[in-house]
Amino acid sequence: DAGITQSPRHKVTETGTPVTLRCHQTENHRYMYWYRQDPGHGLRLIHYSYGVKDTDKGEVSDGYSVSRSKTEDFLLTLESATSSQTSVYFCAISGPTANTEAFFGQGTRLTVV
Amino acid sequence: SQQGEEDPQALSIQEGENATMNCSYKTSINNLQWYRQNSGRGLVHLILIRSNEREKHSGRLRVTLDTSKKSSSLLITASRAADTASYFCATALYGGATNKLIFGTGTLLAVQP
Repeated sequence: DAGITQSPRHKVTETGTPVTLRCHQTENHRYMYWYRQDPGHGLRLIHYSYGVKDTDKGEVSDGYSVSRSKTEDFLLTLESATSSQTSVYFCAISGPTANTEAFFGQGTRLTVV
Repeated sequence: SQQGEEDPQALSIQEGENATMNCSYKTSINNLQWYRQNSGRGLVHLILIRSNEREKHSGRLRVTLDTSKKSSSLLITASRAADTASYFCATALYGGATNKLIFGTGTLLAVQP
């Protein structure tokens, strides 16, 4: 895989607790993305980043926040986890220009009980 | 609602046959990309076609893009059992340097040996 690591790979958490997922890249790519994948919905964009401290909302950003203080790290935080946020979360990177392919991490399976 | 919609949602064919998947999208794009996902894994990039291109080939893959109809197709020729996977189109939206990458809902391809 293209130098992209997601952690943790699996997590079970309780409703109402905050959760942070980490995406780390070693490719120095400009663009980073967080998606969630649910049956029947494909991949839906939560947030993305186009540079350090430059982030924007995706299609399903409610209940999620992100931070990118370094090129290599993109953090996704569920401020107060709910059962509807049970999903598989994928991080992706692309760059250095806009017309380039994206590389995906292996995913994080999050269960909110 | 999602930017990209694939058709059909599921496709079952015999080994050696060709498989065609279609993708429709809603807004102006910089490029359109196709990805493959094996069960439980991250997505893998297959091919990227820019908005000023009409057709592109890569091995057994052929992709077309019709920006007037906002649609694309992916053709896999001489399919193999190993091609069994989910296939997604993704559009990189036009405008600025933000490179927002939106995925469709996917086509599940089953190739019977």
